[in-house]
Amino acid sequence: KQEVTQIPAALSVPEGENLVLNCSFTDSAIYNLQWFRQDPGKGLTSLLLIQSSQREQTSGRLNASLDKSSGRSTLYIAASQPGDSATYLCAVRTNNNDMRFGAGTRLTVKP
Amino acid sequence: ETGVTQSPTHLIKTRGQQVTLRCSSQSGHNTVSWYQQALGQGPQFIFQYYREEENGRGNFPPRFSGLQFPNYSSELNVNALELDDSALYLCASSTGLAGSFYEQYFGPGTRLTVT
Repeated sequence: KQEVTQIPAALSVPEGENLVLNCSFTDSAIYNLQWFRQDPGKGLTSLLLIQSSQREQTSGRLNASLDKSSGRSTLYIAASQPGDSATYLCAVRTNNNDMRFGAGTRLTVKP
Repeated sequence: ETGVTQSPTHLIKTRGQQVTLRCSSQSGHNTVSWYQQALGQGPQFIFQYYREEENGRGNFPPRFSGLQFPNYSSELNVNALELDDSALYLCASSTGLAGSFYEQYFGPGTRLTVT
């Protein structure tokens, strides 16, 4: 059974700092991995999607990497801003219809 | 902002009642998935519909059921509500065969409170 873990559970950094969020999964047989952002009480906003054949994806200040063999992904946020404060979730798709989520990392960026 | 919409935004029900939540998929998407997200946790997969048929189910009892309509809108029905059903319910749409390789787009969710 696929288990997804995100470390740390919460993170507080000063504005401008670069940071890394971690995601690990137990079964390397995945189709893709997706990083989401969730603001309190809201739905999920997709940030980056990495297919199983890819190693990384970039969008603006965000860069996500995927190492299937070790069951790890990282989300790198450059030059963090207070508007980046949110919960970040990673999710892996292991078959045609199941997406397993981690519990998320709650990020606070202090001005 | 995605084109996925959900209604209602908030809902309060009493234990034992039944509830229907609705989702309108993004245009052109033929696959919809439903998730339950308890407070402080990641979403958990309930089931997926592809072209009006259930195409996979998570670890949820039969009192959680769904429908997908020809226009690809969808409903989640929950019977005999329990206190633990209180959660944010999210739907997500995608395109392609069962959405396996394609990005999922999430709606804003319905917050269900069972008292």
